[in-house]
Amino acid sequence: NAGVTQTPKFQVLKTGQSMTLQCAQDMNHNSMYWYRQDPGMGLRLIYYSASEGTTDKGEVPNGYNVSRLNKREFSLRLESAAPSQTSVYFCASLLTGVRMNTEAFFGQGTRLTVV
Amino acid sequence: GENVEQHPSTLSVQEGDSAVIKCTYSDSASNYFPWYKQELGKRPQLIIDIRSNVGEKKDQRIAVTLNKTAKHFSLHITETQPEDSAVYFCAASKGGKHGGSQGNLIFGKGTKLSVKP
Repeated sequence: NAGVTQTPKFQVLKTGQSMTLQCAQDMNHNSMYWYRQDPGMGLRLIYYSASEGTTDKGEVPNGYNVSRLNKREFSLRLESAAPSQTSVYFCASLLTGVRMNTEAFFGQGTRLTVV
Repeated sequence: GENVEQHPSTLSVQEGDSAVIKCTYSDSASNYFPWYKQELGKRPQLIIDIRSNVGEKKDQRIAVTLNKTAKHFSLHITETQPEDSAVYFCAASKGGKHGGSQGNLIFGKGTKLSVKP
Protein backbone atom coordinates (compact mmCIF):
# COMPACT_ATOMS: atom_id res chain seq x y z
CA ASN A 1 0.00 0.00 0.00
CA ALA A 2 1.37 3.39 -0.99
CA GLY A 3 -1.04 5.30 1.29
CA VAL A 4 -1.31 8.92 0.15
CA THR A 5 0.86 9.95 -2.80
CA GLN A 6 1.34 13.62 -3.50
CA THR A 7 3.20 15.24 -6.38
CA PRO A 8 5.35 17.19 -6.96
CA LYS A 9 7.58 17.42 -3.86
CA PHE A 10 9.03 20.79 -4.80
CA GLN A 11 7.92 23.53 -7.18
CA VAL A 12 8.99 27.07 -7.99
CA LEU A 13 6.51 29.26 -9.84
CA LYS A 14 6.61 32.78 -11.14
CA THR A 15 3.82 35.12 -10.09
CA GLY A 16 0.83 34.59 -12.36
CA GLN A 17 1.72 31.06 -13.42
CA SER A 18 -0.67 28.19 -12.84
CA MET A 19 -0.12 24.67 -11.59
CA THR A 20 -1.96 21.64 -10.27
CA LEU A 21 -0.94 19.61 -7.24
CA GLN A 22 -1.92 15.97 -7.51
CA CYS A 23 -2.99 13.66 -4.69
CA ALA A 24 -4.03 10.02 -4.79
CA GLN A 25 -4.88 7.53 -2.05
CA ASP A 26 -5.27 3.77 -2.21
CA MET A 27 -6.99 3.20 1.15
CA ASN A 28 -10.57 3.45 -0.13
CA HIS A 29 -11.14 6.57 1.98
CA ASN A 30 -14.16 8.69 1.19
CA SER A 31 -12.82 12.02 2.47
CA MET A 32 -9.82 13.93 1.15
CA TYR A 33 -8.35 17.27 2.22
CA TRP A 34 -5.90 19.94 1.17
CA TYR A 35 -4.04 21.93 3.82
CA ARG A 36 -1.37 24.57 3.70
CA GLN A 37 1.24 24.89 6.42
CA ASP A 38 2.94 28.17 7.20
CA PRO A 39 5.30 28.91 10.12
CA GLY A 40 3.32 29.62 13.27
CA MET A 41 -0.02 29.06 11.52
CA GLY A 42 -0.40 25.32 11.82
CA LEU A 43 -2.32 23.36 9.21
CA ARG A 44 -5.04 25.44 7.62
CA LEU A 45 -7.77 23.74 5.61
CA ILE A 46 -8.07 24.96 2.03
CA TYR A 47 -10.71 22.63 0.60
CA TYR A 48 -12.06 19.22 1.40
CA SER A 49 -14.15 16.57 -0.25
CA ALA A 50 -16.37 14.34 1.87
CA SER A 51 -17.14 12.03 -1.03
CA GLU A 52 -16.64 11.61 -4.73
CA GLY A 53 -18.40 14.42 -6.54
CA THR A 54 -18.55 16.86 -3.62
CA THR A 55 -16.17 19.59 -2.52
CA ASP A 56 -16.40 22.24 0.20
CA LYS A 57 -14.43 25.32 1.13
CA GLY A 58 -12.27 25.30 4.20
CA GLU A 59 -10.72 28.19 6.09
CA VAL A 60 -8.52 29.64 3.31
CA PRO A 61 -10.00 28.78 -0.11
CA ASN A 62 -9.30 32.04 -1.96
CA GLY A 63 -6.98 31.61 -4.94
CA TYR A 64 -7.48 27.85 -5.15
CA ASN A 65 -9.73 25.40 -6.94
CA VAL A 66 -10.10 21.67 -6.45
CA SER A 67 -11.34 18.65 -8.35
CA ARG A 68 -12.36 15.31 -6.90
CA LEU A 69 -11.67 13.34 -10.05
CA ASN A 70 -12.75 10.02 -8.57
CA LYS A 71 -12.65 8.33 -5.18
CA ARG A 72 -8.85 8.02 -5.30
CA GLU A 73 -7.78 11.42 -6.60
CA PHE A 74 -8.15 14.99 -5.33
CA SER A 75 -6.26 17.78 -7.08
CA LEU A 76 -5.55 21.37 -6.04
CA ARG A 77 -5.13 24.06 -8.67
CA LEU A 78 -3.56 27.49 -8.42
CA GLU A 79 -4.85 29.46 -11.40
CA SER A 80 -2.66 32.53 -10.96
CA ALA A 81 0.01 32.01 -8.33
CA ALA A 82 0.85 34.81 -5.90
CA PRO A 83 3.80 35.14 -3.47
CA SER A 84 1.30 34.77 -0.58
CA GLN A 85 0.73 31.21 -1.73
CA THR A 86 4.31 30.24 -0.94
CA SER A 87 3.80 27.43 1.55
CA VAL A 88 4.01 23.71 2.19
CA TYR A 89 0.90 21.93 0.96
CA PHE A 90 -0.34 18.64 2.38
CA CYS A 91 -2.99 16.33 1.08
CA ALA A 92 -4.72 14.01 3.53
CA SER A 93 -7.36 11.33 3.42
CA LEU A 94 -9.50 9.58 5.99
CA LEU A 95 -12.63 7.56 6.37
CA THR A 96 -15.57 9.60 7.62
CA GLY A 97 -18.95 8.34 8.60
CA VAL A 98 -21.96 9.05 10.73
CA ARG A 99 -20.85 9.95 14.26
CA MET A 100 -17.20 9.07 13.86
CA ASN A 101 -14.08 9.60 11.78
CA THR A 102 -10.85 7.62 11.53
CA GLU A 103 -7.16 8.47 11.38
CA ALA A 104 -6.07 10.92 8.68
CA PHE A 105 -3.09 9.92 6.56
CA PHE A 106 -0.98 12.63 5.00
CA GLY A 107 0.97 12.84 1.78
CA GLN A 108 4.65 13.77 1.86
CA GLY A 109 3.95 17.44 1.20
CA THR A 110 4.71 19.89 -1.62
CA ARG A 111 7.03 22.80 -0.95
CA LEU A 112 5.85 25.59 -3.24
CA THR A 113 7.69 28.85 -3.75
CA VAL A 114 6.16 31.68 -5.76
CA VAL A 115 8.63 34.35 -6.86
CA GLY B 1 -17.42 26.37 11.92
CA GLU B 2 -15.07 24.61 14.29
CA ASN B 3 -12.20 26.55 15.89
CA VAL B 4 -9.34 24.86 17.74
CA GLU B 5 -7.03 26.77 20.07
CA GLN B 6 -3.74 25.17 21.17
CA HIS B 7 -1.34 26.19 23.95
CA PRO B 8 1.51 26.68 24.44
CA SER B 9 3.04 27.44 21.06
CA THR B 10 6.49 26.41 22.32
CA LEU B 11 7.47 24.15 25.21
CA SER B 12 10.93 23.30 26.47
CA VAL B 13 11.48 20.54 29.04
CA GLN B 14 14.38 18.56 30.47
CA GLU B 15 14.72 14.94 29.49
CA GLY B 16 12.70 12.82 31.88
CA ASP B 17 10.22 15.56 32.74
CA SER B 18 6.58 15.55 31.69
CA ALA B 19 5.06 17.74 28.98
CA VAL B 20 1.44 18.85 28.72
CA ILE B 21 -0.20 20.48 25.71
CA LYS B 22 -3.75 21.81 25.90
CA CYS B 23 -6.42 22.41 23.28
CA THR B 24 -9.90 23.85 23.31
CA TYR B 25 -12.57 23.49 20.65
CA SER B 26 -15.71 25.44 19.89
CA ASP B 27 -18.15 23.02 18.24
CA SER B 28 -19.90 20.88 20.85
CA ALA B 29 -20.79 18.38 18.09
CA SER B 30 -17.13 17.47 17.54
CA ASN B 31 -16.58 13.87 18.58
CA TYR B 32 -13.11 12.86 17.43
CA PHE B 33 -9.88 14.40 18.73
CA PRO B 34 -6.58 13.19 17.25
CA TRP B 35 -3.05 14.30 18.06
CA TYR B 36 -0.36 14.41 15.39
CA LYS B 37 3.41 14.59 15.65
CA GLN B 38 5.41 16.26 12.91
CA GLU B 39 9.17 15.92 12.80
CA LEU B 40 11.17 18.48 10.89
CA GLY B 41 10.64 18.17 7.14
CA LYS B 42 8.22 15.27 7.46
CA ARG B 43 4.49 14.72 7.25
CA PRO B 44 2.24 14.77 10.33
CA GLN B 45 1.58 11.33 11.80
CA LEU B 46 -1.05 10.23 14.28
CA ILE B 47 0.24 9.41 17.76
CA ILE B 48 -2.99 9.04 19.71
CA ASP B 49 -6.66 9.89 19.40
CA ILE B 50 -9.73 9.96 21.59
CA ARG B 51 -13.44 9.82 20.88
CA SER B 52 -16.12 11.71 22.76
CA ASN B 53 -17.45 8.64 24.54
CA VAL B 54 -14.14 8.24 26.40
CA GLY B 55 -12.60 10.54 29.02
CA GLU B 56 -9.02 9.30 28.92
CA LYS B 57 -6.79 7.11 26.78
CA LYS B 58 -3.23 6.00 27.35
CA ASP B 59 -0.55 4.46 25.16
CA GLN B 60 2.74 3.83 26.95
CA ARG B 61 4.22 7.30 27.75
CA ILE B 62 1.46 9.20 25.98
CA ALA B 63 -2.01 9.94 27.31
CA VAL B 64 -4.89 12.14 26.21
CA THR B 65 -7.73 13.45 28.37
CA LEU B 66 -11.02 14.93 27.22
CA ASN B 67 -13.44 17.17 29.08
CA LYS B 68 -16.54 17.48 26.91
CA THR B 69 -18.29 19.87 29.26
CA ALA B 70 -15.44 22.36 29.13
CA LYS B 71 -14.65 21.50 25.51
CA HIS B 72 -10.98 20.93 26.06
CA PHE B 73 -8.56 18.07 25.67
CA SER B 74 -4.91 17.62 26.57
CA LEU B 75 -1.87 15.60 25.57
CA HIS B 76 0.40 14.31 28.32
CA ILE B 77 3.87 12.94 27.61
CA THR B 78 5.72 11.42 30.54
CA GLU B 79 9.43 10.61 30.85
CA THR B 80 10.22 12.74 27.83
CA GLN B 81 13.12 11.77 25.57
CA PRO B 82 15.07 13.81 22.99
CA GLU B 83 13.27 11.95 20.19
CA ASP B 84 10.00 13.42 21.45
CA SER B 85 11.20 16.79 20.14
CA ALA B 86 8.82 17.76 17.32
CA VAL B 87 5.78 19.88 16.57
CA TYR B 88 2.55 18.48 17.97
CA PHE B 89 -0.88 19.30 16.57
CA CYS B 90 -4.27 18.70 18.09
CA ALA B 91 -7.36 18.49 15.90
CA ALA B 92 -11.11 18.18 16.17
CA SER B 93 -13.72 16.77 13.85
CA LYS B 94 -17.19 15.32 13.81
CA GLY B 95 -18.64 12.49 11.88
CA GLY B 96 -20.92 13.37 9.02
CA LYS B 97 -23.25 11.49 6.78
CA HIS B 98 -21.63 10.04 3.73
CA GLY B 99 -21.44 12.83 1.21
CA GLY B 100 -22.20 15.51 3.76
CA SER B 101 -20.08 18.46 4.73
CA GLN B 102 -19.58 17.74 8.40
CA GLY B 103 -16.55 15.54 8.12
CA ASN B 104 -13.88 18.22 8.12
CA LEU B 105 -10.80 18.07 10.32
CA ILE B 106 -9.60 21.31 11.92
CA PHE B 107 -6.14 21.65 13.47
CA GLY B 108 -4.68 23.81 16.19
CA LYS B 109 -1.65 25.95 15.38
CA GLY B 110 0.82 23.48 16.85
CA THR B 111 3.23 23.26 19.78
CA LYS B 112 6.95 23.01 19.23
CA LEU B 113 8.29 20.70 21.93
CA SER B 114 12.00 20.70 22.68
CA VAL B 115 13.42 18.06 25.02
CA LYS B 116 16.86 18.95 26.34
CA PRO B 117 19.23 16.09 27.18
